[in-house]
Amino acid sequence: KNEVEQSPQNLTAQEGEFITINCSYSVGISALHWLQQHPGGGIVSLFMLSSGKKKHGRLIATINIQEKHSSLHITASHPRDSAVYICAASSNFGNEKLTFGTGTRLTIIP
Amino acid sequence: EAQVTQNPRYLITVTGKKLTVTCSQNMNHEYMSWYRQDPGLGLRQIYYSMNVEVTDKGDVPEGYKVSRKEKRNFPLILESPSPNQTSLYFCASSKRAWQPQHFGDGTRLSIL
Repeated sequence: KNEVEQSPQNLTAQEGEFITINCSYSVGISALHWLQQHPGGGIVSLFMLSSGKKKHGRLIATINIQEKHSSLHITASHPRDSAVYICAASSNFGNEKLTFGTGTRLTIIP
Repeated sequence: EAQVTQNPRYLITVTGKKLTVTCSQNMNHEYMSWYRQDPGLGLRQIYYSMNVEVTDKGDVPEGYKVSRKEKRNFPLILESPSPNQTSLYFCASSKRAWQPQHFGDGTRLSIL
């Protein structure tokens, strides 16, 4: 079982819909990252959080440390949000390893 | 402009021919890391470095070497490449692992 699990693997939605992508992890972490990868391949860091909630424009990331769960929400989704979204956990075991989920492929239909 | 630069972007080579993928960052970051990305497996960490002369294995270090002689550079070395190392490789840097990562544009390697 992967230490970081994402769901769903694929998600197709209509423009304007509210989107939720989930990430569960089984390891102790110092931080949880959300990344975005567009079809061209480049990877951009969206959020890094260790507690609570962060918001940037239409994107919101939350984390529940007790439940070892994080969610990425997109409000008023748009076709340009179509991308692969990846969560990653930074270890807190005295090293600085990063473990990734396998990603969620999001497609927003106009 | 703050950036992580990888070279080459694309490379096709043959089994056993040593190759180096360079990675350089201009943000004075302590942490640098190499990842490979494969369909169905996602991103996996190969090696990381917490500072100059400090490196450690990630989840898939076999067949790779790294060095960190200067803060800005973190080359990935394949001493004897094999076809199972055909992949898309990313270098990234940050102040620490738990801080936002800055990724390079990726290097697509094909080992025949």
